[in-house]
Amino acid sequence: GAVVSQHPSRVICKSGTSVKIECRSLDFQATTMFWYRQFPKQSLMLMATSNEGSKATYEQGVEKDKFLINHASLTLSTLTVTSAHPEDSSFYICSARGEWMGPQHFGDGTRLSIL
Amino acid sequence: GENVEQHPSTLSVQEGDSAVIKCTYSDSASNYFPWYKQELGKRPQLIIDIRSNVGEKKDQRIAVTLNKTAKHFSLHITETQPEDSAVYFCAAGGSSGNTPLVFGKGTRLSVIA
Repeated sequence: GAVVSQHPSRVICKSGTSVKIECRSLDFQATTMFWYRQFPKQSLMLMATSNEGSKATYEQGVEKDKFLINHASLTLSTLTVTSAHPEDSSFYICSARGEWMGPQHFGDGTRLSIL
Repeated sequence: GENVEQHPSTLSVQEGDSAVIKCTYSDSASNYFPWYKQELGKRPQLIIDIRSNVGEKKDQRIAVTLNKTAKHFSLHITETQPEDSAVYFCAAGGSSGNTPLVFGKGTRLSVIA
């Protein structure tokens, strides 16, 4: 089955640090990748849609200068949380879609804790 | 845009009983409806999905029904087991390849042994 790898799984760092999270599709080419944020006991909130070779589409209320997304190849998308602050602490999870109308497959998520 | 409502938010059942989770969606253009199971601290895992040209789909103890006219779809789990305990999310979308899924708020299912 389709495998999506996300790294790192856990990050603890000081306020002001920038953190990069990688999302890779291991056995398929992902034309589209999605980045979600999940607070404890809540649903998945879409942050942005990332298409290979083009700019990401951000959801309303998500700061594009704060959450930088790069989708440089059909198998890799990165999310960089710039100058992270404690309120950015959350569970970030990516997903990838290979087929045009196929299911979204999720990575394992990254738990980000900003001290 | 699409809006997905999911009920109930919590559900407790006795082992062996059935569990039903219901969702409604707003965008008539949506044609793909997956269900995901998420255990604590882990990734959501696709358990079953249905497309708009099908009214019902079954996979062992899990079934999904879709009523496109009413914009309703439901997840049915029969003969529940303790390992079915998790948070279940419905989602709708797929009208185009780069259209993200919109998720419901989730249902926390507890199966009591």
